[in-house]
Amino acid sequence: DSGVTQTPKHLITATGQRVTLRCSPRSGDLSVYWYQQSLDQGLQFLIQYYNGEERAKGNILERFSAQQFPDLHSELNLSSLELGDSALYFCASSVSDTQYFGPGTRLTVL
Amino acid sequence: GENVEQHPSTLSVQEGDSAVIKCTYSDSASNYFPWYKQELGKGPQLIIDIRSNVGEKKDQRIAVTLNKTAKHFSLHITETQPEDSAVYFCAPPLRSGGGADGLTFGKGTHLIIQP
Repeated sequence: DSGVTQTPKHLITATGQRVTLRCSPRSGDLSVYWYQQSLDQGLQFLIQYYNGEERAKGNILERFSAQQFPDLHSELNLSSLELGDSALYFCASSVSDTQYFGPGTRLTVL
Repeated sequence: GENVEQHPSTLSVQEGDSAVIKCTYSDSASNYFPWYKQELGKGPQLIIDIRSNVGEKKDQRIAVTLNKTAKHFSLHITETQPEDSAVYFCAPPLRSGGGADGLTFGKGTHLIIQP
């Protein structure tokens, strides 16, 4: 158990909809990262927040957004969902170099 | 950005034998080199990492070696066991410094331990 929690574990929705994925980092970790894992794209970095502020952006679509709250939990918002957004979404947290990953949320878009 | 190549994509070894997975990267400023293990249905788990001020690091049956000149680092697993079967990823940071940067994952190596 990494200490990073993610909810929900599974999410099934329809094209065009909007969903919110939630992540609670390890106690004391100020950085939160979001990653997407799909069969065709592999594991890709989406975005990083540090102590409430956006720190770095990766291959995140404009339809996706994230935020980190004062209690350091983070949410990833996915809107106007497309079939191709079906994937595993992981959150990771860190205090230095090492990133600890949560169990992921499996999103299925029908 | 960082380009990462990982070989082989699949590796099958007999239980008890050794396994070696190699990762090459493009960013010469990288100074942090982690390896992750992902089991089916789980998130990636860090198994070992190395920083650029050392050439090798060992933790029981697992070791990582780094060749900064050639820009590659390798994962070595000795005395393989059935529980080593998983997908392994190298994941150097997108930019130098580690920690504050997103990781760039290789395509992964599916390690199969044959009983």
